[in-house]
Amino acid sequence: DTEVTQTPKHLVMGMTNKKSLKCEQHMGHRAMYWYKQKAKKPPELMFVYSYEKLSINESVPSRFSPECPNSSLLNLHLHALQPEDSALYLCASSPVVRAGGRTDTQYFGPGTRLTVL
Amino acid sequence: GENVEQHPSTLSVQEGDSAVIKCTYSDSASNYFPWYKQELGKGPQLIIDIRSNVGEKKDQRIAVTLNKTAKHFSLHITETQPEDSAVYFCAASQSSGSARQLTFGSGTQLTVLP
Repeated sequence: DTEVTQTPKHLVMGMTNKKSLKCEQHMGHRAMYWYKQKAKKPPELMFVYSYEKLSINESVPSRFSPECPNSSLLNLHLHALQPEDSALYLCASSPVVRAGGRTDTQYFGPGTRLTVL
Repeated sequence: GENVEQHPSTLSVQEGDSAVIKCTYSDSASNYFPWYKQELGKGPQLIIDIRSNVGEKKDQRIAVTLNKTAKHFSLHITETQPEDSAVYFCAASQSSGSARQLTFGSGTQLTVLP
């Protein structure tokens, strides 16, 4: 099973709202990722968690707040977003990279389509 | 940082013909090259990947070739079918601690005409 699930599928929020995106995987992967994808563009990396610790933050504005409560769950808390933050938010997971390892492929979820009004 | 260029941006082929998408990368330290297919309204799906110790890999109608010296890799789809129509992204990656950072190409919209 190589499934990453994301909820909700669609989200519409105002600029003053607080909402959260949720991602879940049960493949035993210890690396999890958040990406942002605008229409007709490739995914852009936002955050990387490794062993439930934030290892990479690609200079993302503080209105996006990630959280990894356990090895299977990844959340993205949203607050005071701007209309330009409207995009498809993708979660991915992978096994951790080991020296000489061959099983670090990233698997993506279906995404949450976010619209900020 | 890594930079990945992908060509062409759009590609139309007749059903049954072959399709080739090419990518070049800049960082010689990159050692993992996945290809993703993204259908409308869905997340990217891994279709094939290749590591730097291999020159070619094939999986049924899909093959990927890697030329480390020239820093380019290509996706080959044979006997194309309408369901192959999608956006295809190449990516290059190197390890970053215990996780990987993928740098994506700009994408190729493949249309297979029946």
